Amino acid sequence: SQLAEENPWALSVHEGESVTVNCSYKTSITALQWYRQKSGEGPAQLILIRSNEREKRNGRLRATLDTSSQSSSLSITATRCEDTAVYFCATDNNNRIFFGDGTQLVVKP
Amino acid sequence: AQTIHQWPVAEIKAVGSPLSLGCTIKGKSSPNLYWYWQATGGTLQQLFYSITVGQVESVVQLNLSASRPKDDQFILSTEKLLLSHSGFYLCAWSSDSATEVFFGKGTRLTVV
Repeated sequence: SQLAEENPWALSVHEGESVTVNCSYKTSITALQWYRQKSGEGPAQLILIRSNEREKRNGRLRATLDTSSQSSSLSITATRCEDTAVYFCATDNNNRIFFGDGTQLVVKP
Repeated sequence: AQTIHQWPVAEIKAVGSPLSLGCTIKGKSSPNLYWYWQATGGTLQQLFYSITVGQVESVVQLNLSASRPKDDQFILSTEKLLLSHSGFYLCAWSSDSATEVFFGKGTRLTVV
């Protein structure tokens, strides 16, 4: 079974709107990672939030972590068309990283 | 700086033919190495991982095999391709702490 799972499966917003992707995970973690994968490319890390952190920001991105409910969220403000991508959360376990199935985000002009 | 290079960029192969995909990591000693597979629009499926030369763990059986002949090289292969092998193959590396996975640009494989 998946150690991490994003929801919703897909999202569509218009440019300038804000959007949030949620993640639930099943293991104890040292950190929760968020990745973005654009079409035809490999994923790239956006934010790493450690288990002792509750919030992390990176420009227009904001990640939260709630270890008690084993959940995380990634919010993007002022979305742009170039934010169109699949967003994954990932957890580490025994020095390996496990990805969820991803949320497909489409940002329309 | 570390770099990861995957080859080839794309392949079109016939069913039943052999396949070899490669990956080289420069600038990082003893990385953890991974092979992932994605069907078109699909999820990232981890296929193999390796923490040291000569040692490869299989995560999913897809009639593929992997080898790590050198510290900086990871090879994915099969003797007979199936239609279901089509997809996007990604090589990746991480450090021991696994706080970030760095992906290559991928190989697009089409089996016809």
